[in-house]
Amino acid sequence: NAGVTQTPKFQVLKTGQSMTLQCAQDMNHNSMYWYRQDPGMGLRLIYYSASEGTTDKGEVPNGYNVSRLNKREFSLRLESAAPSQTSVYFCASRQDSGNTIYFGEGSWLTVV
Amino acid sequence: AQTVTQSQPEMSVQEAETVTLSCTYDTSESDYYLFWYKQPPSRQMILVIRQEAYKQQNATENRFSVNFQKAAKSFSLKISDSQLGDAAMYFCASLNNAGNMLTFGGGTRLMVKP
Repeated sequence: NAGVTQTPKFQVLKTGQSMTLQCAQDMNHNSMYWYRQDPGMGLRLIYYSASEGTTDKGEVPNGYNVSRLNKREFSLRLESAAPSQTSVYFCASRQDSGNTIYFGEGSWLTVV
Repeated sequence: AQTVTQSQPEMSVQEAETVTLSCTYDTSESDYYLFWYKQPPSRQMILVIRQEAYKQQNATENRFSVNFQKAAKSFSLKISDSQLGDAAMYFCASLNNAGNMLTFGGGTRLMVKP
């Protein structure tokens, strides 16, 4: 029972490099989310997707793009990484009824 | 817009004792959901307990219970018979009715003393 799976778990990037964080869920959920968590803080929403093909900006979308090509997968792309994007990134999906939200294990990203 | 505030950056409790973590929130919605998540050093987000705002009865999950005061917009977490494994960061969160905005508080670090 995989739940929400994120890859990679750890990544070091140089300033200006690009990369994509992948997320997949096997629970047939419509809603998916990308969050970032900076040291000593709570999670902040980057982007949200209500269903395949739809995405909405969250609280901190600048510097990121997302793609929801199918129901299972929701990817987060950093086009030109900056040190301010050093953080732990969490993908999540929401149960359609009951509103329970399930999180992936997080992806630790360092931009040097 | 929603805001969630946790006023206690750190709390400590003696093993087997009871501790209460505070959370206040603000929302303009009539229907919403409230959560407590536990985050151990591994950074995994673990759902502890959930409360639907339309339910007056306080949620309970084994040693964890909440005190939900809707009028005061307060949602505290009580941990009974604290165990060493309860040591972690605890986050309070609010989900709006549309389900597109889950807002977190800043967290409370709970330490459990043997």
